[in-house]
Amino acid sequence: SQQGEEDPQALSIQEGENATMNCSYKTSINNLQWYRQNSGRGLVHLILIRSNEREKHSGRLRVTLDTSKKSSSLLITASRAADTASYFCATAGDQTGANNLFFGTGTRLTVIP
Amino acid sequence: KAGVTQTPRYLIKTRGQQVTLSCSPISGHRSVSWYQQTPGQGLQFLFEYFSETQRNKGNFPGRFSGRQFSNSRSEMNVSTLELGDSALYLCASSLAGGKTGELFFGEGSRLTVL
Repeated sequence: SQQGEEDPQALSIQEGENATMNCSYKTSINNLQWYRQNSGRGLVHLILIRSNEREKHSGRLRVTLDTSKKSSSLLITASRAADTASYFCATAGDQTGANNLFFGTGTRLTVIP
Repeated sequence: KAGVTQTPRYLIKTRGQQVTLSCSPISGHRSVSWYQQTPGQGLQFLFEYFSETQRNKGNFPGRFSGRQFSNSRSEMNVSTLELGDSALYLCASSLAGGKTGELFFGEGSRLTVL
């Protein structure tokens, strides 16, 4: 399976703390993306990092990518209760002309007010 | 601009029946992908359509099929339903492109098979 794995599976923190989630994948990639899902809802795209990039920022989000280790991390700074959700990494392969992502297993984040 | 719309949002079927789910992509998006989400298997890619052609397919049995219409709207069909088909089915659309960029997801259709 090309599905990635994330750890931890679940994370519980206090509001204002930082949350770090890690993702490992198996194959070569074109890019890696992070998505957020509120319970039972659709996924919302957070950030995309290309294989030739090492770090990217977007607001309170910071993503790193280490292609040699086939791993990525998502850091959410100064967390808020509204950040409570599941977070998934997803990898896009090098195949041209196809739009399919391989999703990780997800991290369930709970931010306690 | 309206987002991705999936209908129906919830449905209940019995084993052996078939079901059709619909997805209207964001205006201008020509690629539509379908994903199945279950607690046990997570998010799995079903197939992707672009300009009415299936461009890529995941590892699912032939009971799962789909199509795309000239207006980019897509449907997926599951025949001879099994209990294990109970899942959240998510549709995503994107602009045409060579390599996978950002996908825009609908809210999903939650299928329960009894």
